[in-house]
Amino acid sequence: DAKTTQPPSMDCAEGRAANLPCNHSTISGNEYVYWYRQIHSQGPQYIIHGLKNNETNEMASLIITEDRKSSTLILPHATLRDTAVYYCLRDDKIIFGKGTRLHILP
Amino acid sequence: EAQVTQNPRYLITVTGKKLTVTCSQNMNHEYMSWYRQDPGLGLRQIYYSMNVEVTDKGDVPEGYKVSRKEKRNFPLILESPSPNQTSLYFCASSLARWNTGELFFGEGSRLTVL
Repeated sequence: DAKTTQPPSMDCAEGRAANLPCNHSTISGNEYVYWYRQIHSQGPQYIIHGLKNNETNEMASLIITEDRKSSTLILPHATLRDTAVYYCLRDDKIIFGKGTRLHILP
Repeated sequence: EAQVTQNPRYLITVTGKKLTVTCSQNMNHEYMSWYRQDPGLGLRQIYYSMNVEVTDKGDVPEGYKVSRKEKRNFPLILESPSPNQTSLYFCASSLARWNTGELFFGEGSRLTVL
Protein backbone atom coordinates (compact mmCIF):
# COMPACT_ATOMS: atom_id res chain seq x y z
CA ASP A 1 0.00 0.00 0.00
CA ALA A 2 1.92 2.98 -1.31
CA LYS A 3 -0.70 5.43 0.03
CA THR A 4 0.03 7.71 -2.93
CA THR A 5 -1.04 7.30 -6.53
CA GLN A 6 1.00 8.46 -9.50
CA PRO A 7 0.71 7.88 -13.25
CA PRO A 8 3.18 5.21 -14.37
CA SER A 9 4.76 7.33 -17.08
CA MET A 10 4.75 10.76 -18.67
CA ASP A 11 6.45 12.51 -21.55
CA CYS A 12 7.57 16.12 -21.67
CA ALA A 13 9.32 18.11 -24.37
CA GLU A 14 12.74 19.48 -23.52
CA GLY A 15 12.54 23.08 -22.33
CA ARG A 16 8.88 22.82 -21.33
CA ALA A 17 7.54 22.57 -17.82
CA ALA A 18 7.01 19.04 -16.56
CA ASN A 19 4.02 18.71 -14.24
CA LEU A 20 3.93 15.46 -12.28
CA PRO A 21 0.74 14.75 -10.31
CA CYS A 22 0.33 12.77 -7.13
CA ASN A 23 -2.82 11.75 -5.31
CA HIS A 24 -2.65 11.35 -1.52
CA SER A 25 -6.30 11.57 -0.61
CA THR A 26 -5.92 9.91 2.82
CA ILE A 27 -3.08 12.11 4.03
CA SER A 28 -3.42 13.33 7.61
CA GLY A 29 -3.06 16.92 8.72
CA ASN A 30 0.51 16.74 9.97
CA GLU A 31 2.02 14.61 7.23
CA TYR A 32 4.43 16.16 4.81
CA VAL A 33 4.57 15.29 1.12
CA TYR A 34 8.03 14.45 -0.20
CA TRP A 35 9.31 14.07 -3.73
CA TYR A 36 12.35 12.09 -4.77
CA ARG A 37 13.75 11.05 -8.12
CA GLN A 38 15.89 8.17 -9.25
CA ILE A 39 18.07 8.47 -12.30
CA HIS A 40 18.75 5.09 -13.84
CA SER A 41 19.91 2.78 -11.02
CA GLN A 42 21.43 5.44 -8.80
CA GLY A 43 20.22 6.03 -5.26
CA PRO A 44 17.08 8.17 -5.08
CA GLN A 45 17.67 11.88 -4.68
CA TYR A 46 15.60 14.24 -2.57
CA ILE A 47 13.87 17.02 -4.54
CA ILE A 48 11.46 18.92 -2.31
CA HIS A 49 8.86 18.57 0.43
CA GLY A 50 5.90 20.53 1.77
CA LEU A 51 3.04 20.49 4.23
CA LYS A 52 0.34 22.84 2.99
CA ASN A 53 1.98 25.83 1.39
CA ASN A 54 3.50 25.81 -2.06
CA GLU A 55 7.25 25.38 -2.01
CA THR A 56 10.03 26.21 -4.43
CA ASN A 57 13.73 25.46 -4.47
CA GLU A 58 16.48 25.40 -7.06
CA MET A 59 15.27 22.09 -8.47
CA ALA A 60 11.49 22.32 -8.57
CA SER A 61 8.23 23.74 -7.29
CA LEU A 62 5.63 21.87 -5.28
CA ILE A 63 1.98 22.81 -5.49
CA ILE A 64 -0.29 21.27 -2.84
CA THR A 65 -4.05 21.60 -3.19
CA GLU A 66 -5.93 23.37 -0.45
CA ASP A 67 -7.55 20.13 0.74
CA ARG A 68 -4.09 18.49 0.63
CA LYS A 69 -5.43 15.47 -1.22
CA SER A 70 -3.12 15.93 -4.15
CA SER A 71 0.03 17.71 -5.22
CA THR A 72 1.98 18.52 -8.35
CA LEU A 73 5.71 18.62 -8.79
CA ILE A 74 6.80 21.13 -11.40
CA LEU A 75 10.13 21.07 -13.18
CA PRO A 76 10.00 24.51 -14.82
CA HIS A 77 12.34 23.93 -17.76
CA ALA A 78 12.88 20.22 -18.23
CA THR A 79 16.17 19.00 -19.65
CA LEU A 80 17.25 15.57 -20.83
CA ARG A 81 18.99 15.10 -17.47
CA ASP A 82 15.59 15.21 -15.77
CA THR A 83 14.69 11.85 -17.32
CA ALA A 84 14.11 9.72 -14.22
CA VAL A 85 11.54 7.96 -12.07
CA TYR A 86 9.85 10.42 -9.73
CA TYR A 87 8.44 9.26 -6.41
CA CYS A 88 5.84 11.02 -4.28
CA LEU A 89 5.79 9.96 -0.61
CA ARG A 90 3.93 10.71 2.58
CA ASP A 91 6.01 10.79 5.71
CA ASP A 92 3.91 8.71 8.11
CA LYS A 93 5.81 5.77 6.74
CA ILE A 94 8.32 6.22 3.99
CA ILE A 95 6.96 3.99 1.24
CA PHE A 96 8.26 4.26 -2.28
CA GLY A 97 5.65 3.14 -4.77
CA LYS A 98 6.43 2.62 -8.42
CA GLY A 99 6.59 6.32 -9.15
CA THR A 100 6.24 8.08 -12.48
CA ARG A 101 8.77 7.43 -15.21
CA LEU A 102 9.34 10.81 -16.83
CA HIS A 103 10.74 10.86 -20.36
CA ILE A 104 12.12 14.17 -21.59
CA LEU A 105 11.88 14.29 -25.36
CA PRO A 106 14.50 16.24 -27.35
CA GLU B 1 31.57 15.31 2.34
CA ALA B 2 28.24 14.12 3.72
CA GLN B 3 27.53 10.68 2.41
CA VAL B 4 26.11 7.20 2.85
CA THR B 5 28.61 4.51 1.90
CA GLN B 6 27.69 0.97 1.00
CA ASN B 7 30.02 -1.96 0.45
CA PRO B 8 30.35 -3.98 -1.62
CA ARG B 9 28.87 -2.22 -4.64
CA TYR B 10 28.73 -5.44 -6.61
CA LEU B 11 28.74 -9.02 -5.38
CA ILE B 12 28.12 -12.41 -6.91
CA THR B 13 27.72 -15.21 -4.40
CA VAL B 14 26.24 -18.68 -4.08
CA THR B 15 23.20 -19.96 -2.27
CA GLY B 16 23.72 -20.40 1.45
CA LYS B 17 26.95 -18.47 1.81
CA LYS B 18 26.45 -15.85 4.52
CA LEU B 19 27.19 -12.31 3.52
CA THR B 20 27.02 -8.82 4.97
CA VAL B 21 26.44 -5.57 3.14
CA THR B 22 27.80 -2.69 5.15
CA CYS B 23 26.30 0.78 5.36
CA SER B 24 27.91 3.75 7.02
CA GLN B 25 26.87 7.40 7.24
CA ASN B 26 28.94 10.36 8.42
CA MET B 27 26.10 12.78 9.14
CA ASN B 28 25.21 11.69 12.70
CA HIS B 29 21.79 10.63 11.47
CA GLU B 30 19.46 8.79 13.83
CA TYR B 31 17.28 7.08 11.22
CA MET B 32 18.67 4.45 8.84
CA SER B 33 16.94 2.06 6.49
CA TRP B 34 17.52 -0.68 3.92
CA TYR B 35 15.58 -1.05 0.68
CA ARG B 36 15.64 -3.52 -2.14
CA GLN B 37 14.68 -2.66 -5.68
CA ASP B 38 13.46 -5.16 -8.23
CA PRO B 39 12.16 -4.55 -11.76
CA GLY B 40 8.50 -3.59 -11.73
CA LEU B 41 8.27 -3.56 -7.93
CA GLY B 42 9.83 -0.24 -7.03
CA LEU B 43 11.71 0.27 -3.78
CA ARG B 44 10.62 -1.92 -0.89
CA GLN B 45 11.75 -1.40 2.67
CA ILE B 46 13.50 -4.32 4.37
CA TYR B 47 14.37 -3.00 7.83
CA TYR B 48 14.73 0.36 9.46
CA SER B 49 16.24 1.77 12.62
CA MET B 50 15.13 4.82 14.55
CA ASN B 51 18.27 4.91 16.69
CA VAL B 52 21.03 2.78 18.19
CA GLU B 53 19.79 -0.66 19.30
CA VAL B 54 16.32 0.05 17.85
CA THR B 55 15.39 -1.83 14.68
CA ASP B 56 12.05 -2.69 13.07
CA LYS B 57 10.84 -4.76 10.18
CA GLY B 58 9.84 -3.10 6.96
CA ASP B 59 7.69 -4.63 4.26
CA VAL B 60 10.00 -7.46 3.14
CA PRO B 61 12.19 -8.53 6.11
CA GLU B 62 12.19 -12.30 5.48
CA GLY B 63 15.68 -13.69 4.97
CA TYR B 64 17.44 -10.61 6.31
CA LYS B 65 18.87 -9.44 9.61
CA VAL B 66 20.21 -6.06 10.67
CA SER B 67 21.97 -4.57 13.66
CA ARG B 68 22.53 -1.05 14.92
CA LYS B 69 25.27 -1.15 17.51
CA GLU B 70 26.65 2.24 16.52
CA LYS B 71 24.87 5.27 15.20
CA ARG B 72 26.85 5.46 11.97
CA ASN B 73 26.62 1.81 10.88
CA PHE B 74 23.66 -0.31 9.82
CA PRO B 75 24.79 -3.58 8.23
CA LEU B 76 22.43 -5.85 6.31
CA ILE B 77 23.04 -9.54 6.91
CA LEU B 78 21.93 -12.39 4.68
CA GLU B 79 22.47 -15.50 6.78
CA SER B 80 21.66 -17.96 4.00
CA PRO B 81 21.20 -16.11 0.72
CA SER B 82 18.85 -17.51 -1.89
CA PRO B 83 18.42 -16.62 -5.57
CA ASN B 84 15.24 -14.61 -4.82
CA GLN B 85 17.43 -12.19 -2.89
CA THR B 86 19.18 -11.20 -6.10
CA SER B 87 18.44 -7.51 -6.19
CA LEU B 88 19.71 -3.95 -6.02
CA TYR B 89 20.00 -2.83 -2.40
CA PHE B 90 20.01 0.72 -1.07
CA CYS B 91 20.84 2.03 2.36
CA ALA B 92 19.47 5.39 3.43
CA SER B 93 19.73 7.68 6.43
CA SER B 94 17.89 10.68 7.79
CA LEU B 95 18.54 13.25 10.49
CA ALA B 96 15.01 13.27 11.83
CA ARG B 97 14.26 11.29 14.97
CA TRP B 98 11.06 9.94 13.45
CA ASN B 99 10.98 8.50 9.97
CA THR B 100 10.61 11.87 8.35
CA GLY B 101 12.99 14.31 6.87
CA GLU B 102 15.19 14.15 3.85
CA LEU B 103 16.57 10.72 3.15
CA PHE B 104 20.14 10.40 1.91
CA PHE B 105 20.78 7.29 -0.14
CA GLY B 106 23.88 5.28 -0.81
CA GLU B 107 24.94 4.39 -4.33
CA GLY B 108 23.48 0.91 -4.14
CA SER B 109 24.79 -2.64 -3.89
CA ARG B 110 23.96 -5.03 -6.70
CA LEU B 111 23.80 -8.56 -5.35
CA THR B 112 23.53 -11.73 -7.43
CA VAL B 113 22.89 -15.06 -5.70
CA LEU B 114 23.52 -18.12 -7.86
